[in-house]
Amino acid sequence: DIQMTQSPSTLSASVGDRVTITCRASQSISTWLAWYQQKPGKAPKLLIYKASNLESGVPSRFSGSGSGTEFTLTISSLQPDDFATYYCQQYNSDFRTFGQGTTVEIK
Amino acid sequence: EGQLVESGGGLVKPGGSLRLSCAASGFTFSSKSMSWVRQAPGRGLEWVSSISSSSTYIYYADSLKGRFTISRDNTQNSLYLQLNSLRAEDTAVYFCARDTGVPPTFFDCWGQGTLVTVSS
Repeated sequence: DIQMTQSPSTLSASVGDRVTITCRASQSISTWLAWYQQKPGKAPKLLIYKASNLESGVPSRFSGSGSGTEFTLTISSLQPDDFATYYCQQYNSDFRTFGQGTTVEIK
Repeated sequence: EGQLVESGGGLVKPGGSLRLSCAASGFTFSSKSMSWVRQAPGRGLEWVSSISSSSTYIYYADSLKGRFTISRDNTQNSLYLQLNSLRAEDTAVYFCARDTGVPPTFFDCWGQGTLVTVSS
């Protein structure tokens, strides 16, 4: 299976900060990568697909980049609603895998 | 846009069985591949299984070792997951999720989840 590794595991930031989360794949996945946001007790919400495509309705402060094995999710100016856990997911393989998650906390 | 509602979770003893259901509405269920994803308490997301729109293609995570069975009924707009030989490590919230195309893809619609607790 393709392993996905996110860093950091936890990130402390303030409203207005620029935040970057990294996701690395154990082998090349081209741009077959999605990002999700999850809040406690809720289902995940799709943010980005195909590494850099913003899902309809998602604020433009979210952006994604990367290809091959290294990807990033950037929040340009952190808002109160953005404190949550973020997951990357590869869909290059029939056996899809997620990163372990990055929790964005209030500093 | 779509809505997914899971049911069937609960408390079950180790070695027991459970059948989860997912009722879909608001989209053409029969044209979409569907998946189950689970999340153990305090842990990350784990893909469990996927099924294509006509049930032709079915995939399972290797870790399940044949204990789970995914199925669907397009006449009832429903997705199912049969869980057998349950273990404590199967304790999790099980989410139903809609694939955006033929697997492997990403998930653009999720249910609220149903909790399965395996404990004696």
